[in-house]
Amino acid sequence: GESVGLHLPTLSVQEGDNSIINCAYSNSASDYFIWYKQESGKGPQFIIDIRSNMDKRQGQRVTVLLNKTVKHLSLQIAATQPGDSAVYFCAEVTGNQFYFGTGTSLTVIP
Amino acid sequence: EAQVTQNPRYLITVTGKKLTVTCSQNMNHEYMSWYRQDPGLGLRQIYYSMNVEVTDKGDVPEGYKVSRKEKRNFPLILESPSPNQTSLYFCATLGGRSGGLQFFGPGTRLTVL
Repeated sequence: GESVGLHLPTLSVQEGDNSIINCAYSNSASDYFIWYKQESGKGPQFIIDIRSNMDKRQGQRVTVLLNKTVKHLSLQIAATQPGDSAVYFCAEVTGNQFYFGTGTSLTVIP
Repeated sequence: EAQVTQNPRYLITVTGKKLTVTCSQNMNHEYMSWYRQDPGLGLRQIYYSMNVEVTDKGDVPEGYKVSRKEKRNFPLILESPSPNQTSLYFCATLGGRSGGLQFFGPGTRLTVL
């Protein structure tokens, strides 16, 4: 199976600072990569995705960077807000199958 | 409102008693999937379906069955549940455009005694 890992299980940031959540993946043949947010008691929520032929993609307050050389994915959240506190998962998609990382818990300190 | 619904949301059962967790979507999505979520292991894909009558095994299909007789429903069946199937289960659909826009249901917390 795939191996999708996160460098840090927890991350605490001050409100207003930028957050960076990292993820390593193992399959260089993956088609695209996705970041999800999961709040307590809820299902995961799609944040942003990036195809394997891209290096960077920006959304509203979020940027995903893909470094295929070192098989690394990162999610940058600008001006982190208390509502951003959640667990963040990366996932890689190979064919029709999804492989998720174990998650990083982000805590925003007011 | 676009949504994925699962029932039941919580279930406590005993080993060997067959159960079904239902999943229904109102977005006319072709792709549907089941995941289990366990502490330290993240989400793992159990089964997925590309369309009606088309189902495929995911990463951890053992002990589970699915069916896709109609587009909107994708039930997960545990013929003989065991304690190692105690977990949080999520159903998800994939949006029509290419990419990872999955919509997840609210989850079903299953305990097998």
